[in-house]
Amino acid sequence: NAGVTQTPKFRVLKTGQSMTLLCAQDMNHEYMYWYRQDPGMGLRLIHYSVGEGTTAKGEVPDGYNVSRLKKQNFLLGLESAAPSQTSVYFCASRRGQGENTGELFFGEGSRLTVL
Amino acid sequence: AQSVTQLGSHVSVSEGALVLLRCNYSSSVPPYLFWYVQYPNQGLQLLLKYTSAATLVKGINGFEAEFKKSETSFHLTKPSAHMSDAAEYFCAVRKNTGGFKTIFGAGTRLFVKA
Repeated sequence: NAGVTQTPKFRVLKTGQSMTLLCAQDMNHEYMYWYRQDPGMGLRLIHYSVGEGTTAKGEVPDGYNVSRLKKQNFLLGLESAAPSQTSVYFCASRRGQGENTGELFFGEGSRLTVL
Repeated sequence: AQSVTQLGSHVSVSEGALVLLRCNYSSSVPPYLFWYVQYPNQGLQLLLKYTSAATLVKGINGFEAEFKKSETSFHLTKPSAHMSDAAEYFCAVRKNTGGFKTIFGAGTRLFVKA
């Protein structure tokens, strides 16, 4: 059981380049989330999805786009990378609304550097 | 608005000493509170969670946390620190609306000295 898998794990971009981070979960979870982690700031929510075909903005959505075409996958895109997007990105998932406690299951992270 | 504040970005204890990591929350409704742990170069994993069933919550690896409504606190403790406890710890609160988003504190890095 793989859980939540993120690819790639490391990437270096030049300013202005684009890229997509892939998150895949095999737990049949309804909700999926993309966070970024920066020193001293904890995890900040970028975008999230409450089910296949849905997406919504989190705290820091600017410069990012997402898609959830399949229930198991949640893609995070950077159309024109900026140095401020240098960060570690985490994908997380949880069961649907009927599961009250809302424990999140995390991937191992994707470290992105924008030069 | 729901949020959490972790007091102290770094905490250092000796092996065998008490671990106390502080978290205060703000919430207008009974919250769902969590502690997550992150080991180096890994994702976060759940340590324990409060869901109103009991105010003292026991988690993995000997950690526990007590929900105190009067103090709006959910501090994490462990009686005796082990070297393997060195990690970053995050307090979090789950919102009750809008995708049930989880809001994280800034994190506290725990150092354990031999």
